[in-house]
Order: sequence, then structure tokens, then C-alpha cells
Amino acid sequence: DGGITQSPKYLFRKEGQNVTLSCEQNLNHDAMYWYRQDPGQGLRLIYYSQIVNDFQKGDIAEGYSVSREKKESFPLTVTSAQKNPTAFYLCASSIQAGVLEQYFGPGTRLTVT
Amino acid sequence: AQRVTQPEKLLSVFKGAPVELKCNYSYSGSPELFWYVQYSRQRLQLLLRHISRESIKGFTADLNKGETSFHLKKPFAQEEDSAMYYCALPRNYGQNFVFGPGTRLSVLP
Repeated sequence: DGGITQSPKYLFRKEGQNVTLSCEQNLNHDAMYWYRQDPGQGLRLIYYSQIVNDFQKGDIAEGYSVSREKKESFPLTVTSAQKNPTAFYLCASSIQAGVLEQYFGPGTRLTVT
Repeated sequence: AQRVTQPEKLLSVFKGAPVELKCNYSYSGSPELFWYVQYSRQRLQLLLRHISRESIKGFTADLNKGETSFHLKKPFAQEEDSAMYYCALPRNYGQNFVFGPGTRLSVLP
């Protein structure tokens, strides 16, 4: 099922390297979101974007960066400053900010050793 | 600050038994709450939202403002209900959600 795609499904990196996770949507949604999913902690918001060329920090933005140059794309960079980068990362979108139903991608599992 | 708690990390019930997944929230005002579900090897997806007052896959949830709760209930659990369930609360004027920590429901045969 399309809609929102995330690639790759699994990603391995060495400590100290930056890594970029891809998120693309063809739903024509204005708003996009990045979450981190850890066992026992639920989903925590990293960054969100309400519209192209605009984004805001979420609850755990430190060590992450994003860009929103195109409506359909919202890549997330995990920098070497992120202390515990190994996690499952979920991207989501909604028609617009304030419309609360979010559609989620399949996720990327990042392992940093 | 808005907050969502789900006190049970894991809930195990037998097939055909009633199930209740608890969700409590802190919010000033009239919240619109959601339940999301993640089945094994599937994407996180919306299960239901309280404003629609629908029953999805036999699940219902009632908003209790006095107890600040939005518990998810089903009278007869099925094995295919086994999944991870998240309660979610909008914040920042609906710009995004805060999610609870999740409850893993295991329905035993």
C-alpha cells in the first residue's frame, strides 16, 4: 500500500556518522511528522512540518535535523550528536495541520554501533 | 501540559473475554481523543476517534471528562485483536499529538 513510503526499512551505521532517513508521500498532504518509537515510551515527536519550507521542533529534536523543500518529502537526518540513535523511526502525514488523523509510513529501524 | 498515560504495558486475555485498555489524560478543555493500533508487521493506523462515536472492529471508547479517561473496550476479544494500542491526545491547537506509552494486547486462544 502506497501513500507514505520510508526507506530503507533497515539501516546500519557506525557511531559518529550522520545518516538521513527518507520519507515521501503522494497524498498531497501539507503536514508531515517524524516520531521515534522506543519500547515502553510510545511515540515521541521529533519534528513536524505544517507546510513546505517550514518546520518546528518536537519534544526530542536534539541531535536531529530536517528539511521540507518539497511538499512530498520530509527527510530526517540523525546526526552524531544524537546520544541514543538506535530506534524505530516513523514518518506520518496529515491533510493539514489541525486535521488530526495521521497516516503513518512503515518505519525505518536504525541501528548504530 | 498535555499528557497521556496508559498504565498497562501488557494485557493478556483469553479469546471471547472482555477487554478494556485504559487511557487517562491531562488536558484543560474539551479534548478530542484517539486510539491508534499497530498490528504485527503493519503500519500504525487510526482505530477510532471519540468524536465520531463509531464502533470499529467491535471496539468502543467513551470519553469520561470527570475521570479524564478514554478507555478502549471490546466485549469479546478475538485473536486478531492482538496488537499494540496507543491512546493519543492533540495539542498545540491540533498541530500534533502526544501519544501514550502504549499497551500490548495479547489475546490467547
